Amino acid sequence: KNEVEQSPQNLTAQEGEFITINCSYSVGISALHWLQQHPGGGIVSLFMLSSGKKKHGRLIATINIQEKHSSLHITASHPRDSAVYICAACFSYNTDKLIFGTGTRLQVFP
Amino acid sequence: DAGITQSPRHKVTETGTPVTLRCHQTENHRYMYWYRQDPGHGLRLIHYSYGVKDTDKGEVSDGYSVSRSKTEDFLLTLESATSSQTSVYFCAIGEQGARYYEQYFGPGTRLTVT
Repeated sequence: KNEVEQSPQNLTAQEGEFITINCSYSVGISALHWLQQHPGGGIVSLFMLSSGKKKHGRLIATINIQEKHSSLHITASHPRDSAVYICAACFSYNTDKLIFGTGTRLQVFP
Repeated sequence: DAGITQSPRHKVTETGTPVTLRCHQTENHRYMYWYRQDPGHGLRLIHYSYGVKDTDKGEVSDGYSVSRSKTEDFLLTLESATSSQTSVYFCAIGEQGARYYEQYFGPGTRLTVT
């Protein structure tokens, strides 16, 4: 069964801390997405990657295809980073259907 | 921000009534998706479209139908709403499929079936 698991479910941090959110998946994938859902409910795409590493500002996403694992890192965390972070996987090279993890709720305190 | 709107944004309806949700885009993207989000389940794909009149089912398609007669509009219909379809519904678009491209999400529609 195609599954995506995230850890931890909940995460609290002090402003300035380095944050890591993990995502593991059951079988090979064609692409891995990271999304951010704001407290108001809006969803924003952060990254789509199929190998290696991508960086945007203070956010870094990495993927290890052999270990079936991806991480999202936030450097110098800030209270405005407080949100739910969601990973999603595309499990085949001939489909565009995403399977989503249940999300990691991050709270960053000043 | 990608030009995606959803209507209505909130709806309360009774069990057994038909409901249609609309997703409208101004980006001319080929791919459009309907998801539902429920506590404990996260986001789940209902249906998606890879072009006008081209659609495919997702993992939770039972009880839902879709139509796409124009590039810019993707309609989700609940033929006879049930309480289990109470959820937040998100539309998303992509220039290419999820294998190759990120998705842009609409603001969501909160549907309550009483």
